[in-house]
Amino acid sequence: SQTIHQWPATLVQPVGSPLSLECTVEGTSNPNLYWYRQAAGRGLQLLFYSVGIGQISSEVPQNLSASRPQDRQFILSSKKLLLSDSGFYLCAWSVSAGNQPQHFGDGTRLSIL
Amino acid sequence: AQRVTQPEKLLSVFKGAPVELKCNYSYSGSPELFWYVQYSRQRLQLLLRHISRESIKGFTADLNKGETSFHLKKPFAQEEDSAMYYCALKLMGNGYNKLIFGAGTRLAVHP
Repeated sequence: SQTIHQWPATLVQPVGSPLSLECTVEGTSNPNLYWYRQAAGRGLQLLFYSVGIGQISSEVPQNLSASRPQDRQFILSSKKLLLSDSGFYLCAWSVSAGNQPQHFGDGTRLSIL
Repeated sequence: AQRVTQPEKLLSVFKGAPVELKCNYSYSGSPELFWYVQYSRQRLQLLLRHISRESIKGFTADLNKGETSFHLKKPFAQEEDSAMYYCALKLMGNGYNKLIFGAGTRLAVHP
């Protein structure tokens, strides 16, 4: 069966420090991968999605970037974190055929001090 | 622009009462809508999708294109239904599916 792993579960970082959040999927090949941010009272905002290795689409301009170095690995990064980057980040995957739901990881709570 | 609106942040009911969580969408194409649920200390998971026309855990949702709504309903709420519920609209293109989420509604079912 397919599983998705996201880590770390929580992270506290100072302003200006770098960031790397990792997400991996097992049990499937060539998934679509997604990074969302969940802000209080604002639902989930799609940040990046990827349909294949090295293919990244950005949904909103921001201080973050994403990379997909391997088929089932999706990384969310920043060179210098801002206070506004605080939030709850969710990784998700779906089968590449379009008519399938997305499956979510446990999320990472990021606090910037 | 595509948008999903869940007007209620919190819905509080007593056990056995009917529940309706509202969702309205804005989309010029043919919509495909989902309800996701997040129980306490669990990950976000799919509850139901409109194309399946199914009932999951007693919940149903009917797509009303005239009113651009996809409200989630259950005739008799249970305490275990307490959770955060998100309505989502799928946008298709080039082999991917993107979800636009509403802000979510927290359902609290009291004994």
